Amino acid sequence: AQRVTQPEKLLSVFKGAPVELKCNYSYSGSPELFWYVQYSRQRLQLLLRHISRESIKGFTADLNKGETSFHLKKPFAQEEDSAMYYCALSGRRTGANSKLTFGKGITLSVRP
Amino acid sequence: DGGITQSPKYLFRKEGQNVTLSCEQNLNHDAMYWYRQDPGQGLRLIYYSQIVNDFQKGDIAEGYSVSREKKESFPLTVTSAQKNPTAFYLCASSMERGRVGTQYFGPGTRLLVL
Repeated sequence: AQRVTQPEKLLSVFKGAPVELKCNYSYSGSPELFWYVQYSRQRLQLLLRHISRESIKGFTADLNKGETSFHLKKPFAQEEDSAMYYCALSGRRTGANSKLTFGKGITLSVRP
Repeated sequence: DGGITQSPKYLFRKEGQNVTLSCEQNLNHDAMYWYRQDPGQGLRLIYYSQIVNDFQKGDIAEGYSVSREKKESFPLTVTSAQKNPTAFYLCASSMERGRVGTQYFGPGTRLLVL
């Protein structure tokens, strides 16, 4: 079974403050981890995936297999980062897992 | 935006009625998915299809049915057996059959019960 846990429902920070959105997972094989974002009145869209090891809009996320975590971080939050963020997991083996499992999401609110 | 479309934007269901939500994609993607989004619940997978004429139940398939007769279309029927249908429904597609890869989402349909 695969599970994604986002322990917080809401994170409110001031502009310029650091942000860390927590994500923990449970999966017996090799996981692929993703962060999706949903801005107000926009579609849910992929923000980043761990295998790309890239920074998108200043956000980074590192897969920590020891702690089974994939926390999303940004050193200086901007107001336009306010959105709902979902962590998601799938299996890596081709054919072994054809679906994404999402966490419950966290609302990030960045105040001016 | 294009790519993947859902209709209608809002849908009202009466007691005992079946309703069908449309999902179409022109991305030539093999795989398509239906999710239900409820406040505080995140996204939960209803059904998914990796290839035409084949589909699998997700985590909350009871009270729903789907078909995949064409690659570009994956309609979802909410049957009268679904006792709590009020929710926001999202359709998605991905290029990679057998692996989820990156999913592209539609704008969603909000279903309300009269």
